[in-house]
Amino acid sequence: QKEVEQNSGPLSVPEGAIASLNCTYSDRGSQSFFWYRQYSGKSPELIMFIYSNGDKEDGRFTAQLNKASQYVSLLIRDSQPSDSATYLCAPRGNQGGKLIFGQGTELSVKP
Amino acid sequence: GAGVSQSPSNKVTEKGKDVELRCDPISGHTALYWYRQSLGQGLEFLIYFQGNSAPDKSGLPSDRFSAERTGGSVSTLTIQRTQQEDSAVYLCASSENSGDSYGYTFGSGTRLTVV
Repeated sequence: QKEVEQNSGPLSVPEGAIASLNCTYSDRGSQSFFWYRQYSGKSPELIMFIYSNGDKEDGRFTAQLNKASQYVSLLIRDSQPSDSATYLCAPRGNQGGKLIFGQGTELSVKP
Repeated sequence: GAGVSQSPSNKVTEKGKDVELRCDPISGHTALYWYRQSLGQGLEFLIYFQGNSAPDKSGLPSDRFSAERTGGSVSTLTIQRTQQEDSAVYLCASSENSGDSYGYTFGSGTRLTVV
């Protein structure tokens, strides 16, 4: 079992729709979870961070965490073509330290 | 500096040569991380530093890879006797600390091509 699993996609949604990106992780000790966005040919950039069960909203982005199910998701409302990128889920390993990145989900928002 | 700076941005080297990749983290960031990303792949962890020490170097692929950090700032990743499979983008990131609530800021990477 991979440490972090994401559907590689591509996930294609029309402009204005809600994009839902999902991630499962294996380390029950992970306490904090990060979502990064990576445009083609660029470095990852941090967009969301969550450490409590439930939802966390930031503008058009909502992160959802369920530690019992070892599941974290990212919702993007009113998707825009500029949201087209690969989204990387990254739990922080047990006892702090490094982030463990999933393979990423490629999102394509069609005008 | 304002961001994480990596150099060189591109490096082409012949198989068997040694290469050095440099990372200059954000000023005051105590934690520094090295990852690599092969074409179309996810980020593979290599090593991280807290200050000048490396609590986790579990991702270094072989003894040809080594890294150091001096003065709690600049880090160099050295690859000896490069092989074609070492071709990848090497990304450096830094964070204020290595605790749970700290995310990383990445540099723009060094694209290494071994021919």
